Amino acid sequence: GQNIDQPTEMTATEGAIVQINCTYQTSGFNGLFWYQQHAGEAPTFLSYNVLDGLEEKGRFSSFLSRSKGYSYLLLKELQMKDSASYLCAVGNTDKLIFGTGTRLQVFP
Amino acid sequence: SAVISQKPSRDICQRGTSLTIQCQVDSQVTMMFWYRQQPGQSLTLIATANQGSEATYESGFVIDKFPISRPNLTFSTLTVSNMSPEDSSIYLCSVELGGLGGRNFGPGTRLTVT
Repeated sequence: GQNIDQPTEMTATEGAIVQINCTYQTSGFNGLFWYQQHAGEAPTFLSYNVLDGLEEKGRFSSFLSRSKGYSYLLLKELQMKDSASYLCAVGNTDKLIFGTGTRLQVFP
Repeated sequence: SAVISQKPSRDICQRGTSLTIQCQVDSQVTMMFWYRQQPGQSLTLIATANQGSEATYESGFVIDKFPISRPNLTFSTLTVSNMSPEDSSIYLCSVELGGLGGRNFGPGTRLTVT
């Protein structure tokens, strides 16, 4: 079966660093994606990992370990506008399977 | 990346009726995907729509309940049939993003069934 797990909710303070973890067990794998979704809006693409290691993109970085079925999204220098849900998704052949999502609240 | 529009953006419907959601893409795409996002939940894939063939449905979703059309490479419709309050969700149309296997999403259709 397919299983993608993330913490349900996290809180952090403006200016801090937060790490959102994602573990997965899927029948196939051709990449791991992170999406950001603000309330009432569609998800927007943040990052993509297909090889092990860290991908850095400005304030956001994403890490993948395929052998451990594990990824994390690292958000630095948090801003209030980063309050949103963060969705981990695994590519499996031509399908994209989403995790449960992590709702992040950033406080001043 | 492709720009996707959906109509309607939201609707309130009565139990037992049907609603057809339209998805228009500004470029030709091979596959279009329909997702559902129930309140407070993540995204669940309903079906994959290829032009010129029947849609492929995921476990738990059937053609009689969610018929899909894909008449050309830029357009698709999803119908939610014989609606019940449990169908209240956001329905999102999606296309492939840049060949990586990711997805670009339309703005969604917020459906409330009373």
